[in-house]
Amino acid sequence: NAGVTQTPKFRVLKTGQSMTLLCAQDMNHEYMYWYRQDPGMGLRLIHYSVGEGTTAKGEVPDGYNVSRLKKQNFLLGLESAAPSQTSVYFCASRKGQEIGELFFGEGSRLTVL
Amino acid sequence: GQNIDQPTEMTATEGAIVQINCTYQTSGFNGLFWYQQHAGEAPTFLSYNVLDGLEEKGRFSSFLSRSKGYSYLLLKELQMKDSASYLCAALDSNYQLIWGAGTKLIIKP
Repeated sequence: NAGVTQTPKFRVLKTGQSMTLLCAQDMNHEYMYWYRQDPGMGLRLIHYSVGEGTTAKGEVPDGYNVSRLKKQNFLLGLESAAPSQTSVYFCASRKGQEIGELFFGEGSRLTVL
Repeated sequence: GQNIDQPTEMTATEGAIVQINCTYQTSGFNGLFWYQQHAGEAPTFLSYNVLDGLEEKGRFSSFLSRSKGYSYLLLKELQMKDSASYLCAALDSNYQLIWGAGTKLIIKP
């Protein structure tokens, strides 16, 4: 059972470079999320999607873009990476609005030099 | 504003009992979650409470008081593998999760 899969697991970027993180889920979930997790801080929501073709901003959306062209995939893009975007990124999904349990991917550790 | 408070770090002894508290202030409330996160890993679901009272699941129990905006996670018969961070999260009126910063639990032999 794959669940939620994130790629890549690790990446080092130079300031100004761009990259895309891919999240794929095989549970037919409607809702998908991108979080970042920094030491001493809780999970902070970057962007989320409530269904195929929809996206919405979370708590810390600046510097990131997302797309949900297919229900099973949720992409997070960094157009011009900055050192402040060094973090661990988690993708998560859940079945629907009132079904709260989130299923997380393994995380992607990004370092921006 | 919306806020979740939980202690930053706690230490307990193997075999003992520990209670991790969480207080929340949210716009509306649709339930409270506890997740466990081992270092370098993803959070995993532990419990969900939406009604007042205690929910027991093996060595772990979770309590909720909606009137007090308060929850706790109770871990019994502590094992070394319980060393992890415990994340409290409240579901607000828009069904969005508001996360606490997590409580790092250190278990000593």
